[in-house]
Amino acid sequence: GAVVSQHPSRVICKSGTSVKIECRSLDFQATTMFWYRQFPKKSLMLMATSNEGSKATYEQGVEKDKFLINHASLTLSTLTVTSAHPEDSSFYICSATGLAGGHNEQFFGPGTRLTVL
Amino acid sequence: GQQVMQIPQYQHVQEGEDFTTYCNSSTTLSNIQWYKQRPGGHPVFLIQLVKSGEVKKQKRLTFQFGEAKKNSSLHITATQTTDVGTYFCAGGYQKVTFGIGTKLQVIP
Repeated sequence: GAVVSQHPSRVICKSGTSVKIECRSLDFQATTMFWYRQFPKKSLMLMATSNEGSKATYEQGVEKDKFLINHASLTLSTLTVTSAHPEDSSFYICSATGLAGGHNEQFFGPGTRLTVL
Repeated sequence: GQQVMQIPQYQHVQEGEDFTTYCNSSTTLSNIQWYKQRPGGHPVFLIQLVKSGEVKKQKRLTFQFGEAKKNSSLHITATQTTDVGTYFCAGGYQKVTFGIGTKLQVIP
């Protein structure tokens, strides 16, 4: 199946710093990438949808200036958490959909555990 | 907006017992997908249902999509310890809305 990687897998940072998370589709071209946040014992909350070469579409309540998303190529999307605060600590997961297969199933990355001190 | 509800949130079963999780949408869905997330892991796609009344099987897993395309179920026959995890349904095309998930514990 399609493989999506995410880097880093874990990051601990100080409050006020910015953190960049990368999401890569390794063996397919991802026309659309999604960024989710998952709180402990909770479901996935969609933060934004990004299409290659265009601005991301943010869900209601998600600050676009705080969570910067760049989708520069068909295989790479980045999420930058700017001026991170402890309440931003969470599990961030990206997913991607591609052109192959005719389905819209999402292939998920392994996630990034962000801890803001 | 679209809401996807899933019950139960938690289920403990004895190994060998059956298990079912149910998913209901506030709106008609173009399709529904099911994912499994193992403890500490990321969601993994299991299946997609598109047609009204569709039933699909994967070994001991049976997936159903309601006639009105507003509900779905996942049934596992004779659970095994490898079935442990959280099962999510997700509805929509391109942009999907996830249910809260059902966490399954299998007691050996």
